[in-house]
Order: sequence, then C-alpha cells, then structure tokens
Amino acid sequence: DVQLVESGGGLVQPGGSLRLSCAASGFTLNTYKMHWVRQAPGRGLEWVSHSSEIGANALYGDSVKGRFTISRDNARNSLFLQMNSLRVEDSGVYYCAREGGVPGDFDWWGQGTLVTVSS
Amino acid sequence: QSALTQPASVSGSPGQSITISCTGTSSDVGGYNYVSWYQQHPGKAPKLMLYAVTDRPSGVPDRFSGSKSGSTASLTISGLQAEDEGDYYCSSYSNSGTPAWLFGGGTKLTVL
Repeated sequence: DVQLVESGGGLVQPGGSLRLSCAASGFTLNTYKMHWVRQAPGRGLEWVSHSSEIGANALYGDSVKGRFTISRDNARNSLFLQMNSLRVEDSGVYYCAREGGVPGDFDWWGQGTLVTVSS
Repeated sequence: QSALTQPASVSGSPGQSITISCTGTSSDVGGYNYVSWYQQHPGKAPKLMLYAVTDRPSGVPDRFSGSKSGSTASLTISGLQAEDEGDYYCSSYSNSGTPAWLFGGGTKLTVL
C-alpha cells in the first residue's frame, strides 16, 4: 500500500529553521512528482512547493519563495522541506502529497506534521 | 497566486443533492482541465474525490460528479449521506507565467 509519513515538525521561534521529512513507501518515488501542502489552524489548504520526479525542477508558492527549499533522495524514498526564516504565519500542519498522472491530482497524502512558530 | 473562490458553507438533507462551486480565472480553472476536489474530515488528511474536472479515483462513489463552465468548476454530490459531511476543497493548476497550484478556501458541508 502507498504510504507517506511526515516528520520533523515542532515548536520553533520566529526566524528559526526546521527540516521536514516525508518517508514514502509502496511506490517508486522517482516516478512521481511530489508536493508539500500546508494548513494553518482552522484554515484552508495552501500549496507550498513542488518537486519534479528527479528533483531537477522545484516550484514554490509566493509566501515561501526564497525561504523554503524542497529536495528529495529517491534512493532513500524521502522528500524534504527545508524551512528557514520562519514566521508566525508559517504555523500549521504540513502535508506531503503525491501527484498522480494529472497536474494537481494529489492522489495520496500523509497524515501531516505540525509546525508551530512562536516566541 | 490568489485562492479560488468557494462558498463558505452548504447544507442538505440525506438523499438530496448539493453543488459546490469553485471560481477562478482564465489562468487557472478556465485555462486548464486540471481541477480536483478533496474531502477533509476533522483532524484527517484530505482525500482526493475528483481529478481532471470529472474523473473519480477508484473507490469514490459515483454520487460524486464534477463539471466546469468557463472559469467555474462545480462538485455535485447526489443522494447525500451522513458520512459526506465535512470540508471540501477545490484545487486547480495555474500558470500565469510560473506554474503553481491553487486551492479554494473550502466549503463546509452539513448534512441535516
């Protein structure tokens, strides 16, 4: 079965950094585009970042551009999100999601990891 | 990168049909047939319900259907059931220079 398991969330002060991980299993990671999507407490979903199959192409939402970096290690079946210069408004649950055969078809999601940015 | 527009809430009785709209622009919903819909229950991850405007993943009941006209996509749920209650989000691929993915603000469905 396909499984995505996020980790690395926690409490961090404004201006700090965190590195999120997403462990993938049940499918061949290097044949899928992957995304990070976040959800602030009580709010809606917000797309954060995209990685092409071998990591050659990365895209970011306007709110995180220049601060977050997506990467992947296909040999270790893992996706990462390095988050720097964190702001209070970056708080929320971060999900990794697999893109199926169609752009924006997020067909599998992890359970999410909670990031709290607070002093 | 502006969010897509959805109604904040809709409601219906068991057995009835409801429709949730999702309005964007010609750079996203109107320009591509890459609209998807997600269901989310409290404390859970979103679940894909429709993709490519009208296609259902395996396991999603055919009570769920999608359509698009211009820059507005719609999700229709027929024969409402209690377990359909939850939050629904639309999403669309967008490209007005740089590719991006947009979500709607979400619609809370209440089954009366």
